[in-house]
Amino acid sequence: EAGVTQFPSHSVIEKGQTVTLRCDPISGHDNLYWYRRVMGKEIKFLLHFVKESKQDESGMPNNRFLAERTGGTYSTLKVQPAELEDSGVYFCASSQEKGAGEKLFFGSGTQLSVL
Amino acid sequence: AQSVTQLGSHVSVSEGALVLLRCNYSSSVPPYLFWYVQYPNQGLQLLLKYTSAATLVKGINGFEAEFKKSETSFHLTKPSAHMSDAAEYFCAVRTGGFKTIFGAGTRLFVKA
Repeated sequence: EAGVTQFPSHSVIEKGQTVTLRCDPISGHDNLYWYRRVMGKEIKFLLHFVKESKQDESGMPNNRFLAERTGGTYSTLKVQPAELEDSGVYFCASSQEKGAGEKLFFGSGTQLSVL
Repeated sequence: AQSVTQLGSHVSVSEGALVLLRCNYSSSVPPYLFWYVQYPNQGLQLLLKYTSAATLVKGINGFEAEFKKSETSFHLTKPSAHMSDAAEYFCAVRTGGFKTIFGAGTRLFVKA
């Protein structure tokens, strides 16, 4: 069974440019999450999809961030325009279970560096 | 509001020694608690979880954690460290919603 895959693994861009991160969850997983870890700090929740619908986007930093999950399969997270403070590791996770005890399956993350 | 505090960003032990990684949580309702591990260049993977059954939870690779409500703690232990245990460990808490709150992580170093 293929795991959660993220692309690219690394991205280096200049301030003001646009970057799009992609996440392919495990097939059949309705729940898809985006998280971000900045400079060795805690992993912070960004948003949660159930199929193609945004269930909770309370963690999105501002309107420069746009997440989509067309067709309820893969998801993209676009940052436009990127700022220096957007640098960090962006993780995607998926799950099939419903309920607070669900197990999350994580991708290996995208390291974003904004210069 | 829920929160997680991991005491010590770095822990170093000798091979064969006890591993103890500390986690304290804050939650206004009974929590679900998790430990995840991240090996280099990999995603996080679940080590173990507490979901209100037995307070002592056994996970993969010989790890276990004990839920202590009175201390609001969920410390992770392993009796004997192995070189392959070197990784970063994350404690996490979740209540009825879908948001998992993670701590800042503890990097475990294992010395030969």
